[in-house]
Amino acid sequence: DTGVSQDPRHKITKRGQNVTFRCDPISEHNRLYWYRQTLGQGPEFLTYFQNEAQLEKSRLLSDRFSAERPKGSFSTLEIQRTEQGDSAMYLCASTRTVYGYTFGSGTRLTVV
Amino acid sequence: AQKITQTQPGMFVQEKEAVTLDCTYDTSDQSYGLFWYKQPSSGEMIFLIYQGSYDEQNATEGRYSLNFQKARKSANLVISASQLGDSAMYFCAMIPPPYFGNEKLTFGTGTRLTIIP
Repeated sequence: DTGVSQDPRHKITKRGQNVTFRCDPISEHNRLYWYRQTLGQGPEFLTYFQNEAQLEKSRLLSDRFSAERPKGSFSTLEIQRTEQGDSAMYLCASTRTVYGYTFGSGTRLTVV
Repeated sequence: AQKITQTQPGMFVQEKEAVTLDCTYDTSDQSYGLFWYKQPSSGEMIFLIYQGSYDEQNATEGRYSLNFQKARKSANLVISASQLGDSAMYFCAMIPPPYFGNEKLTFGTGTRLTIIP
């Protein structure tokens, strides 16, 4: 089963450091989403790719956040100069149709 | 804008009993989709069930059924014969009209379900 995989599963970083997360979607899925989930909340949309094009970014995605999806395959989410408020679970999902929305296991970020 | 409301932060249910998790939604769209996801402590979001706004029958998937009341804008999840493995967070989510575009999900705040042996 080649589901959505995310790496790393857990990341602890010091405030001010840069971090990068990776998401490998299901190969035939052309759409890829990033969500952020803070403690006690549901996931919130961050950004969306269709193939390699980043088509929408949430207002939650400050200038310190950048996402890429080179060649329409895997995607990376980078956070620069991390802050304690960035501590959250970062979830990636991919889909080809609305019925095929598949999430990865997430990357749990802790900023100390 | 779409909004999902889940008013039950936590529920405790005896094993083998049925449980209903509440979800109400708000949208101005005529066409939309509703999902329920399960999130165990490991973190992944597991798809449970989907209901389209124009589906005339309530969706069912094994022990899961969705009680869809469009006029009341509610989409409650019913789990029959609960099992210990059902203990998890449960999220209701909505998707906008299925154009070929950004089908981002809007989630509620979730309900933590604990099954008691």
